[in-house]
Parts: sequence; C-alpha cells; structure tokens
Amino acid sequence: GQQVMQIPQYQHVQEGEDFTTYCNSSTTLSNIQWYKQRPGGHPVFLIQLVKSGEVKKQKRLTFQFGEAKKNSSLHITATQTTDVGTYFCAGLTYSSASKIIFGSGTRLSIRP
Amino acid sequence: EAGVAQSPRYKIIEKRQSVAFWCNPISGHATLYWYQQILGQGPKLLIQFQNNGVVDDSQLPKDRFSAERLKGVDSTLKIQPAKLEDSAVYLCASSLEGLLSSYNSPLHFGNGTRLTVT
Repeated sequence: GQQVMQIPQYQHVQEGEDFTTYCNSSTTLSNIQWYKQRPGGHPVFLIQLVKSGEVKKQKRLTFQFGEAKKNSSLHITATQTTDVGTYFCAGLTYSSASKIIFGSGTRLSIRP
Repeated sequence: EAGVAQSPRYKIIEKRQSVAFWCNPISGHATLYWYQQILGQGPKLLIQFQNNGVVDDSQLPKDRFSAERLKGVDSTLKIQPAKLEDSAVYLCASSLEGLLSSYNSPLHFGNGTRLTVT
C-alpha cells in the first residue's frame, strides 16, 4: 500500500542548532501538509504545499515540496525549546479515493 | 471558534470488553475523520465521513470496529470486543470541506481519547 516515510525518527539537538526532517512518498502526492504535535498533545496544522518545487517560510521554519511531488522537507533554523515536539508530514494521494496519509513523524528534542 | 470535542479523555478496559468514543466536530465542518495513533507512530486513518456518508473505511477493522455519523454532525466510534493491540490514542479530526485535488482544508484535531486495554 501507499506509504509516507519520514527520517530521521528522532533528532536531539543543542538549542540554537538547525533541524531538518525529510518526508518521502512511494507515490506522487496532490499536496502535502505539515503538522506539529507537542508531547501529550494533538497534531496542529502548520502549513500546506501544493505546487511542484514550492517553498514556504514561517519565521524560522522553511518548508519545501519536491519537483516530482513525492518528497518534502521541513527545516528549522536556530531551534528554540518551544520547537520541541513531533513533526508529521501528511500527503494527499492522487487517486479515485483521495485520502490523507500521515508520515511516521520525527521527534525533536532540544538541549537547553 | 470552539474546537473539536472528544470524550472520554481516558479509558481503561479489559480485553474482550466494549468501548465507545464520541466526537463533536467544529460547527459547519463537513468532513470528519477518526484516526488511531499508536505510541511513537503517526496517525492512521480508520474512517472518513463526508457529512453523514462514509468516504473511506478501508483501514477500519470491521469485524470489531464500527463508526457512525447519523445526522452529519457528531460521531461515535465503537470497538467490540477490544484487543490488547487496540491500546492507542483515538483522534477525531474535522475539516471544512472534503478532499480536493489540490488545496484541501486543514485538519483540526480533538485532544483524543487514550485507550488502554489490559
């Protein structure tokens, strides 16, 4: 079946260091969304990318959608303790029965 | 606007018992989703409703799981009988519209129900 994989599974960084998580789909996606889930919380929508090669920024966060619309990345510059949580990508499939498939997530922890 | 409401927040049951979860989506949201999130994994879609009709239930274990959204508003998810592997957080989410070919409305999640099956 269709899969959306994320790497790495975990990332532990020093506060102020950069962080990147990568998302790869086995098939072409219509669009991709990114969510953040704080420990003990629920996923919260961050952003959506639709166009091939699209790049969007939110303050220290940069999101990219691959040219082939099969991969995406989230880059955080100069991490802060408030960035702690698990970041999920969620891809919308190109099919007769469109569905949103979540990636396995990357858990970010930060050393103050 | 009020968020997605779910209850109960926590539930502990023994295997082979039954359990039901309730979800009230954001007012006006046509699409409702039930996801299962096992510890350390991403949410897995169980069922998706568009108004009161089922859009996708391909990953719902229909021998033990059932869900309904009779009036196109709130929804219940039931497990009968429960197994140990059903221990997870059950997340309800809603979105304004159904899934489109390009842009689609973000999912708004409730706080979830943490189920422990012993």
